[in-house]
Amino acid sequence: AQSVTQPDIHITVSEGASLELRCNYSYGATPYLFWYVQSPGQGLQLLLKYFSGDTLVQGIKGFEAEFKRSQSSFNLRKPSVHWSDAAEYFCAVAPLYGNKLVFGAGTILRVKS
Amino acid sequence: DTGVSQDPRHKITKRGQNVTFRCDPISEHNRLYWYRQTLGQGPEFLTYFQNEAQLEKSRLLSDRFSAERPKGSFSTLEIQRTEQGDSAMYLCASSLLPGPQETQYFGPGTRLLVL
Repeated sequence: AQSVTQPDIHITVSEGASLELRCNYSYGATPYLFWYVQSPGQGLQLLLKYFSGDTLVQGIKGFEAEFKRSQSSFNLRKPSVHWSDAAEYFCAVAPLYGNKLVFGAGTILRVKS
Repeated sequence: DTGVSQDPRHKITKRGQNVTFRCDPISEHNRLYWYRQTLGQGPEFLTYFQNEAQLEKSRLLSDRFSAERPKGSFSTLEIQRTEQGDSAMYLCASSLLPGPQETQYFGPGTRLLVL
């Protein structure tokens, strides 16, 4: 069965510092990979996605993620964090085409000034 | 494109009561998904529709839960005889297939509290 692991439940970074959120997946083939962000009490907003091609993908709000097949990872990065980035971040996978998403448990990002 | 909308945003009910939630997908999206998110967890898949056909149901979806999507537009999720364990955020998402890459767009969710 597919699974997604986000090893860090909470991460705290200073405003302006760089950020990396980890995501590892377990799946028989290369799945589709996603990062979503959720602000308190809100739904999920798509940050970026990887389907194929260039393994470094750019998303909204200055986020990027790198797919590493050898490590089954899809880590999310941002070079300089803003206070408004404080939220919960979810990594998700889906089979090759058109099916349900499997989510990790999420990482809560706190930004200190 | 007004996005996915859900109604109500919050629902408080007493154990044993029935509740119904509505989801309006992005116009012309033919796929509609329901997920449930409990505190401290990521969303978990419940069921999905392609047009009006319900194609898959999770084992999480007990027989107290029923979902419909008449005419392939909006969808409703009903929970009968609610239990405290049903307290969660219920999220709806929609997508368009066929398309080059399926991306699910989520609504704001309905937060259910069962007392």
